[in-house]
Amino acid sequence: SQKIEQNSEALNIQEGKTATLTCNYTNYSPAYLQWYRQDPGRGPVFLLLIRENEKEKRKERLKVTFDTTLKQSLFHITASQPADSATYLCALEKSGGFKTIFGAGTRLFVKA
Amino acid sequence: KAGVTQTPRYLIKTRGQQVTLSCSPISGHRSVSWYQQTPGQGLQFLFEYFSETQRNKGNFPGRFSGRQFSNSRSEMNVSTLELGDSALYLCASSRGGGSGDTQYFGPGTRLTVL
Repeated sequence: SQKIEQNSEALNIQEGKTATLTCNYTNYSPAYLQWYRQDPGRGPVFLLLIRENEKEKRKERLKVTFDTTLKQSLFHITASQPADSATYLCALEKSGGFKTIFGAGTRLFVKA
Repeated sequence: KAGVTQTPRYLIKTRGQQVTLSCSPISGHRSVSWYQQTPGQGLQFLFEYFSETQRNKGNFPGRFSGRQFSNSRSEMNVSTLELGDSALYLCASSRGGGSGDTQYFGPGTRLTVL
């Protein structure tokens, strides 16, 4: 069955460093891969989308890579700040599937 | 533009009861998806509606059902509640759904089953 794996352990980094989060998937061929941020007690917030034919996408301090051969996406936050502390979710969708599947998320803590 | 709203925000029910949750999407959005979020399973897809039609559903028992009205507002219903149904129920709206459409999530309804 289809499966998405994200680092189950929390990631602790120092302010100013680059945070790198991993999303691996199996038994799935997504047309789109998205990253969301979720703060405690709130719904997820969309950050970035990357298509299957794209290798990399950037938005301000965020960068996403997508390797369909490795079935992996990496999510980078450069010059991280304590305000970046949150849970980050990876989500996959097939073209015309009308269904998004989410990973369990990785909790990021950025220490000042 | 107002965001996605969900009511109620918190709900406590007992086993065997039924519950109805409501979701009002962003104005102009016609697709509404529902998710169940628990610490152990993460975000699990329940179903997606567009123009009052269910286009896809996840692997949940028939006790979980939903519907969408002509104004795109959506409700989900859970009958014969079980302890394991305790979770945060999130709805998300998008313009058309599918094709990588950005989903905008509501704050969720926290359901506790005793």
